[in-house]
Amino acid sequence: QQPVQSPQAVILREGEDAVINCSSSKALYSVHWYRQKHGEAPVFLMILLKGGEQKGHEKISASFNEKKQQSSLYLTASQLSYSGTYFCGTEGGLSGNQGGKLIFGQGTELSVKP
Amino acid sequence: DTEVTQTPKHLVMGMTNKKSLKCEQHMGHRAMYWYKQKAKKPPELMFVYSYEKLSINESVPSRFSPECPNSSLLNLHLHALQPEDSALYLCASSHAGFIHQPQHFGDGTRLSIL
Repeated sequence: QQPVQSPQAVILREGEDAVINCSSSKALYSVHWYRQKHGEAPVFLMILLKGGEQKGHEKISASFNEKKQQSSLYLTASQLSYSGTYFCGTEGGLSGNQGGKLIFGQGTELSVKP
Repeated sequence: DTEVTQTPKHLVMGMTNKKSLKCEQHMGHRAMYWYKQKAKKPPELMFVYSYEKLSINESVPSRFSPECPNSSLLNLHLHALQPEDSALYLCASSHAGFIHQPQHFGDGTRLSIL
């Protein structure tokens, strides 16, 4: 079942912060985050595993609350280069034929203006 | 530049043609994936190969035929496609034991069916 992302789109000025949420009605074992710029490949940002951990890379961080079956991506002090469509991808069970089966949310389009 | 190379970048074909899409990676990954992406939609998983064997087929029509001749190459053979098959076709790869592994995407082949 496809995870639900919110908001669908957000417009920011450089330096502003944003939060993108991803929620699922099914139990999650991990959440992936990817960014795709127009006409380019999706680029891996981070994976969060069960345990409620928070990960970060420079000014982009994320959290994962498996009890709520939610993940949030935090972008602080946004830069022009952050523009693109952000997808969360969820992995379900650990059985062999489920592994690697990413189901992506519908995407959040982020535009950062000067 | 991405580390997963897809050729061709663009392909226009008639409904009676036979063509192939090619994907190559040299990262030592043993899991490879085909996704289909329509405009403003998330990537949708089609096939997963693990150690050169097909492990997941997401009920894809037989007019799409995947092939993994070796650990670095992944092909998608196309025959008798329909106009609704026009889309961006993305290849991705990850380390084996592909649960919780980041996926590295190619730039895709943009396919148009006349």
